[in-house]
Amino acid sequence: DSGVTQTPKHLITATGQRVTLRCSPRSGDLSVYWYQQSLDQGLQFLIQYYNGEERAKGNILERFSAQQFPDLHSELNLSSLELGDSALYFCASSVGSTYGNTIYFGEGSWLTVV
Amino acid sequence: AQSVTQLGSHVSVSEGALVLLRCNYSSSVPPYLFWYVQYPNQGLQLLLKYTSAATLVKGINGFEAEFKKSETSFHLTKPSAHMSDAAEYFCAVSGYSGGGADGLTFGKGTHLIIQP
Repeated sequence: DSGVTQTPKHLITATGQRVTLRCSPRSGDLSVYWYQQSLDQGLQFLIQYYNGEERAKGNILERFSAQQFPDLHSELNLSSLELGDSALYFCASSVGSTYGNTIYFGEGSWLTVV
Repeated sequence: AQSVTQLGSHVSVSEGALVLLRCNYSSSVPPYLFWYVQYPNQGLQLLLKYTSAATLVKGINGFEAEFKKSETSFHLTKPSAHMSDAAEYFCAVSGYSGGGADGLTFGKGTHLIIQP
C-alpha cells in the first residue's frame, strides 16, 4: 500500500458526460501528479500540483482540468468524454516539487467510456 | 527534455534464470532514474531509484539496477527469476523544466513472462 488513495476504482460512463476522479496523497506529501495509462499512449504525465498551485503541465487535454484543495486532496475533472478517454488514471504524490523526488502511485481509477 | 527507451516490449525467461530488462535514457540534466513494477490490475510500485549516490542500486524483491553514464543506460537485473516476478516493468526518468518538476517520463514498459 503506497498510501495514495484514489476513488472510484472503476467508472463506466457515456460519451459526452463528465466525471470527477478523486485522490488523497500520502500523509505529508505536498505534490500531487495525475497520469493517464492507455494501451496506445502508455503512461502519460498530465499535470502536477504543489501545495494547491499548478506546478507543471504535461499532455493534458483542454477538456480535462484538475485542482488541489487546501487539505491537499486533488480532483481530476474529465468532461465531454470520448471513447478514446477510456484509460487507467493514476494519481501519485511526493513530498516536494523538485525533480528527483520519489513519486508514489495510487491503485488507479479505471474509466470506461461507452 | 528527457526520454526513456525500453528495449523489448516482452521478455520471457525461465524460472530461476537471470532477468535482464533494458532501459536507456536521454536527459538534459543529471538524471534521477526509477524502475517501477505493475502487477496485473494494480498500481505502480517503486522497485528502486538512482540518485547518483551509487551506480549500483539495490531495490526490493531482489532486483538491482546499474547506472552507466557512458552508455546512458539503467538496466534492471535479478539473478534468479521467480514466478511472482511476472509483471509489467517501467523505467522512468525524472524531468526538470523551467520552474518546476515535470513528473516522470516513462518508457513504454516491458512485460516480463516467467516460464515454469
